[in-house]
Amino acid sequence: EAGVVQSPRYKIIEKKQPVAFWCNPISGHNTLYWYRQNLGQGPELLIRYENEEAVDDSQLPKDRFSAERLKGVDSTLKIQPAELGDSAVYLCASSPPAGGWETQYFGPGTRLLVL
Amino acid sequence: AQTVTQSQPEMSVQEAETVTLSCTYDTSENNYYLFWYKQPPSRQMILVIRQEAYKQQNATENRFSVNFQKAAKSFSLKISDSQLGDTAMYFCAFMKPGTASKLTFGTGTRLQVTL
Repeated sequence: EAGVVQSPRYKIIEKKQPVAFWCNPISGHNTLYWYRQNLGQGPELLIRYENEEAVDDSQLPKDRFSAERLKGVDSTLKIQPAELGDSAVYLCASSPPAGGWETQYFGPGTRLLVL
Repeated sequence: AQTVTQSQPEMSVQEAETVTLSCTYDTSENNYYLFWYKQPPSRQMILVIRQEAYKQQNATENRFSVNFQKAAKSFSLKISDSQLGDTAMYFCAFMKPGTASKLTFGTGTRLQVTL
């Protein structure tokens, strides 16, 4: 079974540029999470989806960040415009609807560097 | 709000020895989940072990076991017979009850296994 897939793995951009990250969760997992992991820190939740509905986006900086999960499968996280402080690893995770829902499976992450 | 504290930024252990990583948390919830995740240098976050707060028995997964002290709000991870492949960042995480809640992570402990 394929794990959570993320792309790109690395991205270097200049500040004020837009950037987008893509995530494909494990097949059958209806819950999808985006976390941001700053250097030397644990991940922090940005947004959580149940199918195509964003059920927790309280930590998402909505002035510059946006996310979507069309059709309740793949998801895209966008930053526009990027700031120096956005440099971090962006992790996507997914969990199944039942039978182990409490376990989140993480992708390899996208490492973003804003210059 | 829940908080998770890992007071050991770095630890080192020799191969085949035993090491214990500490974690404390703060919550007013009576039921919840606790996790230890491993993040090797490749960045893929992997679940190591999980504990439900209502279970008094400590969870065990092969060489990994926990010491869960609910009253003290302590959740330490013991790694027995350490292997070179155990070298990684280890994150303690907390999840409130309820379907597909977010994970609240500690700042992590970097474990180095040496020959």
